[in-house]
Amino acid sequence: KAGVTQTPRYLIKTRGQQVTLSCSPISGHRSVSWYQQTPGQGLQFLFEYFSETQRNKGNFPGRFSGRQFSNSRSEMNVSTLELGDSALYLCASSSALGLAGYNEQFFGPGTRLTVL
Amino acid sequence: QKEVEQNSGPLSVPEGAIASLNCTYSDRGSQSFFWYRQYSGKSPELIMSIYSNGDKEDGRFTAQLNKASQYVSLLIRDSQPSDSATYLCAVYAGNNRKLIWGLGTSLAVNP
Repeated sequence: KAGVTQTPRYLIKTRGQQVTLSCSPISGHRSVSWYQQTPGQGLQFLFEYFSETQRNKGNFPGRFSGRQFSNSRSEMNVSTLELGDSALYLCASSSALGLAGYNEQFFGPGTRLTVL
Repeated sequence: QKEVEQNSGPLSVPEGAIASLNCTYSDRGSQSFFWYRQYSGKSPELIMSIYSNGDKEDGRFTAQLNKASQYVSLLIRDSQPSDSATYLCAVYAGNNRKLIWGLGTSLAVNP
């Protein structure tokens, strides 16, 4: 099975611009979660989509948004970029159908966003 | 109190030794527990999941769960320099259906 893919891998933007990141989950997985990772802050949860619906949301401003398509592919968008948005953005997919509470999450390689 | 706590380290062990990584969590309703390994500049990689009290072994890795004491640990036997990485503990609490992450423990295995 192919793993989680994310595009683009690297991105350089300037303040005020917007950006769209894409994630394709493992085939058959219906849940996609997005995380922001910065040094010292650990993994910060952005949101989770399951069957095209946002099922959970972290504590990020409304500039961060996402969506999921019928084929489970997901996009996240960040508008009006700030310097502090520079981070590694990670997408994780899960089947989320396990009886043991929650299936494992499998991560893509991430998108490294630099805001100048 | 943070929901999932790990010692940040660095934890330094000699090659061939046992590395012991610990994680405590605050939500008694937590159901699923995961250990991930993250190399510098890479994404996290799942290495162990555990759902019930006791030990679970997979190769050189053993996860231990004690729900009464609210901790989960990861033992790495015969540590190798290639095990040098940050180890992240993640806990799923069903009430809010979120995976809660620790900040990770940095492990250095010295040849």
